[in-house]
Amino acid sequence: AQSVTQLDSQVPVFEEAPVELRCNYSSSVSVYLFWYVQYPNQGLQLLLKYLSGSTLVESINGFEAEFNKSQTSFHLRKPSVHISDTAEYFCAVSAGSARQLTFGSGTQLTVLP
Amino acid sequence: EPEVTQTPSHQVTQMGQEVILRCVPISNHLYFYWYRQILGQKVEFLVSFYNNEISEKSEIFDDQFSVERPDGSNFTLKIRSTKLEDSAMYFCASSSDRLNTEAFFGQGTRLTVV
Repeated sequence: AQSVTQLDSQVPVFEEAPVELRCNYSSSVSVYLFWYVQYPNQGLQLLLKYLSGSTLVESINGFEAEFNKSQTSFHLRKPSVHISDTAEYFCAVSAGSARQLTFGSGTQLTVLP
Repeated sequence: EPEVTQTPSHQVTQMGQEVILRCVPISNHLYFYWYRQILGQKVEFLVSFYNNEISEKSEIFDDQFSVERPDGSNFTLKIRSTKLEDSAMYFCASSSDRLNTEAFFGQGTRLTVV
């Protein structure tokens, strides 16, 4: 079975500051890794994913995440956040025969002016 | 842009009643999923569905739950006799590939059992 740990439930940060949202996973098989974002009153939207190949993956809005197999981590980073990045961020892994997603508990990122 | 749509957005039901949550997946997707999120807890996998049958289910998905694709567009989750602890946000998702490399989620149905 796989599991995902997001150590920080709340991360407040000032606008234009850098941010890192931490994610660690455990799995006995190879996994795919994802970050989803949920804005208020909306569904989960895929932000970025790691399937294979380059361990650094990027999103179109400036986020990046690095797959670290030895540390079983997939931390999400952004060098300069905007007010509009305020949302809840979920890390997830997929494994199993149906490749269903296992989610972390989420991190609420709040960007302050 | 194609999207997964869920109805209703909010449903209130009395304990013991049956509810049906509806989802319209993206039209060319073949793999369908239901997840739920109890307030303050993680998003949890319930069931996956492909080719008109369940491909995998979690231990949460017991006999009170069932899924169906009654026509070519809808995907439904039925809860036969609702309990207070079924109160949660229910998310439908769909994917075009077996490896689920990109799942698209609906906005969710908030189910409140009173």
